[in-house]
Amino acid sequence: DVKVTQSSRYLVKRTGEKVFLECVQDMDHENMFWYRQDPGLGLRLIYFSYDVKMKEKGDIPEGYSVSREKKERFSLILESASTNQTSMYLCASSSTARDGSYEQYFGPGTRLTVT
Amino acid sequence: DAKTTQPTSMDCAEGRAANLPCNHSTISGNEYVYWYRQIHSQGPQYIIHGLKNNETNEMASLIITEDRKSSTLILPHATLRDTAVYYCIQDYGGATNKLIFGTGTLLAVQP
Repeated sequence: DVKVTQSSRYLVKRTGEKVFLECVQDMDHENMFWYRQDPGLGLRLIYFSYDVKMKEKGDIPEGYSVSREKKERFSLILESASTNQTSMYLCASSSTARDGSYEQYFGPGTRLTVT
Repeated sequence: DAKTTQPTSMDCAEGRAANLPCNHSTISGNEYVYWYRQIHSQGPQYIIHGLKNNETNEMASLIITEDRKSSTLILPHATLRDTAVYYCIQDYGGATNKLIFGTGTLLAVQP
């Protein structure tokens, strides 16, 4: 069974703390993604990576950075957490099929609260 | 921004077919239509995708109009566990597999 796991289901951090969210996939996928989800706003792409050590900004990268040192692991970093980063964070991975289509597999999410 | 439009919410009786519409009037010839769903407090789950032809799998059927400007996701026998937000997405794929999620349709299956 394919699997994307995230390091924490729930996390509470203080304003100004450095926060690491870890994501691991076991499907040998090239592409990995970080989204955040807020009520009324749907899922918004923060960053994605299409290969080891490669990254690209998504729609809302401000205040975040990422790291992909190994193919299976993609980390989201909040350098100095702020209350407006309280959200549900979702990681996903995917690989392109021969016909050009793809399927993103999502982790269970991390609900981060910054106080 | 999401390029598809879907109704905000729909109801369906348990055991009946749920038909979820989606408009994607700007779709180009090489863009797929994808459907995902998100059950409360879980990550989104892939359901099905199609390009031109109708598609069926163990979860659902996808009917795409001949002009490809709209599609319908059909859950043939909805159960309470199908209550979720359903997202319709058009995308050309490519190497990076980026998806742009809209706000989807909240399907409430009623007992």
